Amino acid sequence: QQQVKQSPQSLIVQKGGISIINCAYENTAFDYFPWYQQFPGKGPALLIAIRPDVSEKKEGRFTISFNKSAKQFSLHIMDSQPGDSATYFCAASYFSSGSARQLTFGSGTQLTVLP
Amino acid sequence: NAGVTQTPKFRILKIGQSMTLQCTQDMNHNYMYWYRQDPGMGLKLIYYSVGAGITDKGEVPNGYNVSRSTTEDFPLRLELAAPSQTSVYFCASSYSPLDRGEAFFGQGTRLTVV
Repeated sequence: QQQVKQSPQSLIVQKGGISIINCAYENTAFDYFPWYQQFPGKGPALLIAIRPDVSEKKEGRFTISFNKSAKQFSLHIMDSQPGDSATYFCAASYFSSGSARQLTFGSGTQLTVLP
Repeated sequence: NAGVTQTPKFRILKIGQSMTLQCTQDMNHNYMYWYRQDPGMGLKLIYYSVGAGITDKGEVPNGYNVSRSTTEDFPLRLELAAPSQTSVYFCASSYSPLDRGEAFFGQGTRLTVV
């Protein structure tokens, strides 16, 4: 019930192309959906996030599309650049106890953008 | 600001040994977390804390212990290390609950148990 399923596991895209990473969840208690970006040897860093009351959020070349009825959300990277090569994690947050929330992460997608 | 600092960066332990992974943050964040990252498995929450003196279990707490005596520090203790604890460990902190702010991660500790 707490799982977030992410696909594909790896993705290779040409420079200038569109990268698309998909995630699906089951638990309707999830109410906040961030994406984290991780470069080799570094910790993950927040890239963009969305709440389920909107269907799309765009920040620069990065867009989250959210389909509440299908319980799916996806990350689109437009005009992909070699510098975007990293591992991307989708996540979902739910209220756990007291004032705390937990993040459940997907398994990650290793994106390689070819020059 | 240094952000979230983890030590050590690498460690090799023998089965049955114990060790403490150190984590400190200088952002005055109340919320702190420990995750482990295994290949192809994403990050799993081990323990978290909502403030000094308050800790709680996450998804995979067995074999670990934590304490939070100060706002800045959140050490993770491994007792009787096992090969299954070979992983990359990340400490993170946040100013607010995770639906209103981001988690800031340290650079990780790569632990191998042999």
